[in-house]
Amino acid sequence: ILNVEQSPQSLHVQEGDSTNFTCSFPSSNFYALHWYRWETAKSPEALFVMTLNGDEKKKGRISATLNTKEGYSYLYIKGSQPEDSATYLCAYPTGGTSYGKLTFGQGTILTVHP
Amino acid sequence: DAGVIQSPRHEVTEMGQEVTLRCKPISGHNSLFWYRQTMMRGLELLIYFNNNVPIDDSGMPEDRFSAKMPNASFSTLKIQPSEPRDSAVYFCASSSGRVNGSPLHFGNGTRLTVT
Repeated sequence: ILNVEQSPQSLHVQEGDSTNFTCSFPSSNFYALHWYRWETAKSPEALFVMTLNGDEKKKGRISATLNTKEGYSYLYIKGSQPEDSATYLCAYPTGGTSYGKLTFGQGTILTVHP
Repeated sequence: DAGVIQSPRHEVTEMGQEVTLRCKPISGHNSLFWYRQTMMRGLELLIYFNNNVPIDDSGMPEDRFSAKMPNASFSTLKIQPSEPRDSAVYFCASSSGRVNGSPLHFGNGTRLTVT
């Protein structure tokens, strides 16, 4: 993996379903992995900054896990609600340092149908 | 805290004109980023500053683009001359430290249309 890749590109679920999606990133020289939520007509908002292998973070019904050795992170949403509809972005520093150059994936577009 | 403030929210200009986008980061944040969002390329980093110093401008598309940060509370992104392919949403973001601990805080973006 040379860049940040996210899958799937889009996802449609019914209200109440639980869902998850993946972010893959280069596993060498790991610094951090960010998750952002981007609602239509708004700006991206940070969900999590993850730094440790095996880390698991939670915010309400949203949680994320991190595997730095194999280069992936999962984002989980439990009991999806229509207000969870958004694009979920992961981002990874690609400049070779822990400063800046945060490169974003293309995102997973989640639509939750009532 | 007012968050990251960008102006203008919308800019419509004609090809060949100079465009200046402005950003005020969150007070106390020492890193500032300019991103561009397009359908084809998603969110791409144009340039970032640390302590007002440009660190990496490798994402700036060409010489028509320039960015400055004269002090800790203000940055500009200038396009001269503008072209229709520059039409996009331009986001400014700031953070309080290194990316291994500090999330980015985004402004509301400037939607640029070049006709």
